Amino acid sequence: QKEVEQDPGPLSVPEGAIVSLNCTYSNSAFQYFMWYRQYSRKGPELLMYTYSSGNKEDGRFTAQVDKSSKYISLFIRDSQPSDSATYLCAMSDDNAGNMLTFGGGTRLMVKP
Amino acid sequence: DSGVTQTPKHLITATGQRVTLRCSPRSGDLSVYWYQQSLDQGLQFLIQYYNGEERAKGNILERFSAQQFPDLHSELNLSSLELGDSALYFCASGTGGSEQYFGPGTRLTVT
Repeated sequence: QKEVEQDPGPLSVPEGAIVSLNCTYSNSAFQYFMWYRQYSRKGPELLMYTYSSGNKEDGRFTAQVDKSSKYISLFIRDSQPSDSATYLCAMSDDNAGNMLTFGGGTRLMVKP
Repeated sequence: DSGVTQTPKHLITATGQRVTLRCSPRSGDLSVYWYQQSLDQGLQFLIQYYNGEERAKGNILERFSAQQFPDLHSELNLSSLELGDSALYFCASGTGGSEQYFGPGTRLTVT
């Protein structure tokens, strides 16, 4: 079993929909949680960075962390075709030199 | 644009050869991380340097090595290349914490 699990999708939604992307993890030492967006053959782009449990909002994006359930989510409001990409969750703990452990990514397609 | 640069963008080489990938971090970042992305393994952490010193090591093969120079740029050396080493290699930089910014990657094809 992988340390970080993520549904690979693809997830197909109409433009304007609310998108929910999720990851579960097994390592309770993880303290930092990130979401990256990766367009095909490009480098991952940092979208959201959160520490410990709670919510964080940035424009159309909201990240939620529930450490008790070992579950994190990214919500995208008013989704746009330009949001079509692979979304990767990543996590780390202070004891591992800040190396990131990634989920396998969820491919999102937003249809006009 | 993250501010992290990587060269070359593409590299095609034969099995048994050695290649060097180069990374320049964002201005002000002291930490450089190397990751490998393949279809079957996803994004995997290889190694981290902080201000010239190795700080953390992942599942990096013995055939692979890296270093960070005084000007903070980093190089990843891959030797005795095998077909299975074909992948995207990403460099990321940061101030030393978990917030990391990725470069555009180097696509390595081993034939």
